[in-house]
Order: sequence, then C-alpha cells, then structure tokens
Amino acid sequence: TQLLEQSPQFLSIQEGENLTVYCNSSSVFSSLQWYRQEPGEGPVLLVTVVTGGEVKKLKRLTFQFGDARKDSSLHITAAQPGDTGLYLCAGTTGTASKLTFGTGTRLQVTL
Amino acid sequence: DTAVSQTPKYLVTQMGNDKSIKCEQNLGHDTMYWYKQDSKKFLKIMFSYNNKELIINETVPNRFSPKSPDKAHLNLHINSLELGDSAVYFCASSQQRGAVGSYGYTFGSGTRLTVV
Repeated sequence: TQLLEQSPQFLSIQEGENLTVYCNSSSVFSSLQWYRQEPGEGPVLLVTVVTGGEVKKLKRLTFQFGDARKDSSLHITAAQPGDTGLYLCAGTTGTASKLTFGTGTRLQVTL
Repeated sequence: DTAVSQTPKYLVTQMGNDKSIKCEQNLGHDTMYWYKQDSKKFLKIMFSYNNKELIINETVPNRFSPKSPDKAHLNLHINSLELGDSAVYFCASSQQRGAVGSYGYTFGSGTRLTVV
C-alpha cells in the first residue's frame, strides 16, 4: 500500500508569510498531483508533475517533484487569506488506475 | 456548465436503510470514481469504472454496489447502512486512467451521508 505522508498536518500563518508543505512516500510515483479543497466542496486540481526534479509555478505557488519521484513540496509565497484550505497531494504509480491521496495539510491564513 | 454533479448533497438516514447517490459528468471523460472522505479528511478510493467496466474495487463491504449505466454516469447504492458509513462521498472523473502524465481528476462537490 502506497502511503503519502504530508507535513505539517496543520498550519496557521499570517497574511504575507511564506510556507512549505511536504509530501513524502517510500514509493516511487509516475506522477504526482496537488489539489486544494475548500469546505463543502470537492478537491480542485492545482498541478501535475511527472518528471523527477520538475518544478512548476502557479502564480505564488511553486511545486517541486523530488529527483527520485518519491516526494514533493508546495511552497507558497506571501500567503493570502484566499489560500486557506486543505491541500492534498496525490500520486499514481506505473499503470495503476487509481490516485492515492496524501494525509492532507490544513492551511489557515489570517489577516 | 461542464462539471461533475452528484446528488443529493446531504443525506441523513437511519441504520439499516438502503440509499443511493447519483453522479453524472458531462466532461466526456472515460473514467469515473467513487472516493470516501472520513472525518480526518482522508480520501480513499472505493471504485473506478472505465467505459462502464469496473476496473478498481477496493476492499469495500459488498453492501456498497456501484452501477454505471453509461460512461457519463456512476451511481453508488448502499444497502443496510451502518453508523460507520457516515462520511462524505465524492464522485470524480478523469480523461484516462492513471499513467505517466496522468490527467487530473475533476471532483463533484460531495454527498455528506449521516447514518443515525
């Protein structure tokens, strides 16, 4: 069973601060995705990374896939209250048909 | 609007009842999924269908039975509901099942099931 551990579990920061969320596994993933989920809604895809060492930027969000494709990180610069939500990493392995989700990081950004 | 829509949004029912959750996607995706999100917000896959064919069936009690009449619909029927079935159930779809360069999933907004 592939397990994706995210850290930290909870993060409460003030507007303008930077933060990094980590997603770690002992398994190798063929692709890794990051989602954000807001209360009462389903997760929404932010990014997909497929190549070891790949870095993708989405405005103030920077995503990195580890060289060995076992881990990933999400860095947010100058966090805003609109960034508040549950961040989930999720991975697929080889020809597997399912997306395995991480344990989640709940982020709260206050004014 | 193009989306994954599931109904109902909320479902409160007594133990022992049978209930169904419906899901429809108009994105033209080939694959649909049911996920269960527990109280700790952990999302776990239950089932996956590709073009009406069951391709993933995790260790889910056989009280849960998915049905896919066509590739745009995937319903979930639950028999003899138990307290432990209380959770949020999410339907999702994707363009193709996971591979290198996997496409992202589009999720519905969830069905909060409460068994009393």
